[in-house]
Amino acid sequence: EVRLLESGGGLVQPGGSLRLSCATSGFTFSNYVMNWVRQAPGKGLEWVSTIGGAFDTYYADSVKGRFTISRDNSKNTLYLQMNSLRAEDTAVYYCAKDVAVGLAPDYWGQGTLVTVSS
Amino acid sequence: DIVMTQTPLSSPVIVGQPASISCRSTQSLVHSDGNTYLSWLHQRPGQPPRLLIYQISNRFSGVPDRFSGSGAGTDFTLKISRVEPEDVGVYYCMQTAATSRTFGQGTKLEIK
Repeated sequence: EVRLLESGGGLVQPGGSLRLSCATSGFTFSNYVMNWVRQAPGKGLEWVSTIGGAFDTYYADSVKGRFTISRDNSKNTLYLQMNSLRAEDTAVYYCAKDVAVGLAPDYWGQGTLVTVSS
Repeated sequence: DIVMTQTPLSSPVIVGQPASISCRSTQSLVHSDGNTYLSWLHQRPGQPPRLLIYQISNRFSGVPDRFSGSGAGTDFTLKISRVEPEDVGVYYCMQTAATSRTFGQGTKLEIK
């Protein structure tokens, strides 16, 4: 069974940093493209970042230069380092894996809430 | 970035009746590999999204066959042949043809 479990969310002051983790199991992690997607309270889904199997990385303009996606294939874990956080980064952050072929996020974690506030 | 526009934003439907959601992109979603990367996802309140359809019309594992996707280029449609009560929630289209992925605004499906 595929499982994704996010952690690391919490309350942080503007300008602060957080590191999110997504522990995975039930699939060969190193073979899959992985994503972070966020959802602000009461709002729609916003793609944040993607990392490929070759460690190629992609970011939304809204987080470029502030967030860093990474993966540790030995630990089957995805990360999101978030620096210079702003109030508008407040959201539930989901990790999601892509389908094997098709470039679509098929399995999602339950999400972790990040609140940026003073 | 490619902008995804969904219509309608809200759709009240009667159980057993069909429903349809449209999604239009500002650029073609045909990838250089020849595939078209347009997906549909469903999110129930308080739950993470779940994948329904990928590459325009491929139903993901376990998705009922009352859900179908169609379209090409920049215009796509999700159809539910007969709405069930568990189909309520928000539906999103998503493009992954570009390295910068984008979602539509979401369409809220509610039961009349």
